[in-house]
Amino acid sequence: AQSVSQHNHHVILSEAASLELGCNYSYGGTVNLFWYVQYPGQHLQLLLKYFSGDPLVKGIKGFEAEFIKSKFSFNLRKPSVQWSDTAEYFCAVSHGSGNTGKLIFGQGTTLQVKP
Amino acid sequence: DTAVSQTPKYLVTQMGNDKSIKCEQNLGHDTMYWYKQDSKKFLKIMFSYNNKELIINETVPNRFSPKSPDKAHLNLHINSLELGDSAVYFCASSQQISGNTIYFGEGSWLTVV
Repeated sequence: AQSVSQHNHHVILSEAASLELGCNYSYGGTVNLFWYVQYPGQHLQLLLKYFSGDPLVKGIKGFEAEFIKSKFSFNLRKPSVQWSDTAEYFCAVSHGSGNTGKLIFGQGTTLQVKP
Repeated sequence: DTAVSQTPKYLVTQMGNDKSIKCEQNLGHDTMYWYKQDSKKFLKIMFSYNNKELIINETVPNRFSPKSPDKAHLNLHINSLELGDSAVYFCASSQQISGNTIYFGEGSWLTVV
């Protein structure tokens, strides 16, 4: 069965620290990869996505992620976090072909940024 | 302009009641979904519809019945509510093509007491 694993469940950082959130998936075929963010009490917003092409993708708010096919990974990074980045971060995967659009989510990582 | 809108945003109801959550998208998408986020914030798909046809039904109890009157609407009706149904329910939509992005509504917080 396909699955998505996020290694860090709860991350606490100080402002200006660098961030890397791990995401690994288990699926041997072509995949589409996403990172969503959920600010407290709000809905999911797309941070960035990878479909094909350059494996280093840049998203909103200074976030980026790198797709490493050999490692089945799609880690999220930000060089310098802000207090406003405090949120829940979800990695998600969908099939790249024969796509029904179904997203499989990781269990989420809670990021707490201290001012 | 809200792309995916769902109502109500908050719903508190007693066990055994029947309730509905409505969802509408104005993005012209062909596919709509319901996702459930539990108390541990884990998100899982419940249903997807493509052009009013059921595509995915992820072993959801048959107390949950989605209804899609047209491709812009996907409502979720829940019969005989149970305590375990308390969750946040997210409606979402996408185009039915490879490499699509799914856009989420703001969520409906359901509390069963």
